Amino acid sequence: EPEVTQTPSHQVTQMGQEVILRCVPISNHLYFYWYRQILGQKVEFLVSFYNNEISEKSEIFDDQFSVERPDGSNFTLKIRSTKLEDSAMYFCASNRGPNTEAFFGQGTRLTVV
Amino acid sequence: QQPVQSPQAVILREGEDAVINCSSSKALYSVHWYRQKHGEAPVFLMILLKGGEQKGHEKISASFNEKKQQSSLYLTASQLSYSGTYFCGTDRTGTASKLTFGTGTRLQVML
Repeated sequence: EPEVTQTPSHQVTQMGQEVILRCVPISNHLYFYWYRQILGQKVEFLVSFYNNEISEKSEIFDDQFSVERPDGSNFTLKIRSTKLEDSAMYFCASNRGPNTEAFFGQGTRLTVV
Repeated sequence: QQPVQSPQAVILREGEDAVINCSSSKALYSVHWYRQKHGEAPVFLMILLKGGEQKGHEKISASFNEKKQQSSLYLTASQLSYSGTYFCGTDRTGTASKLTFGTGTRLQVML
């Protein structure tokens, strides 16, 4: 069964450092998303991406965040200068189209120290 | 504005039924339901589009009342595997390019 894969599964970084979280969406999907979940809390939308551009972004997704689809398979989230409050589980998701089932990856646990 | 889910938590014995509600103060285009087990990714259950349709998925079904902007998830004859946190995600645009999730309902099914 096709799945969304994310790497790394866990990343520890020092405050102020840049991190890149990587995702490989399901191959025939056209819409890509990043969500985050602080431990024990709800899932929060960060950004959606379609046709090589951002469709929507939340207030959380400020200038420190960026997304890229550098080739036909990868979808990355970059945090330029990490803060302690960026520590969370980051989920990538993809789907075929609006209002279709979105598949989530297993997540990257980011710990900023 | 995030949807409000109720109850926050529920404990059931295997075979019992439960209802989880998701309410919004704003007009919605669709409601998406997910279940997340501890330490895992959210898993899609179903989407309800405006129009008040009801959907079913084995013993899990849901409805969407457009007038009340409320969706309800019905779990019947619960099984141990139903345990997890249930989230509703709401879409106000019709594109579902930005889902706003509720705070979740933690469901525990016991023997």
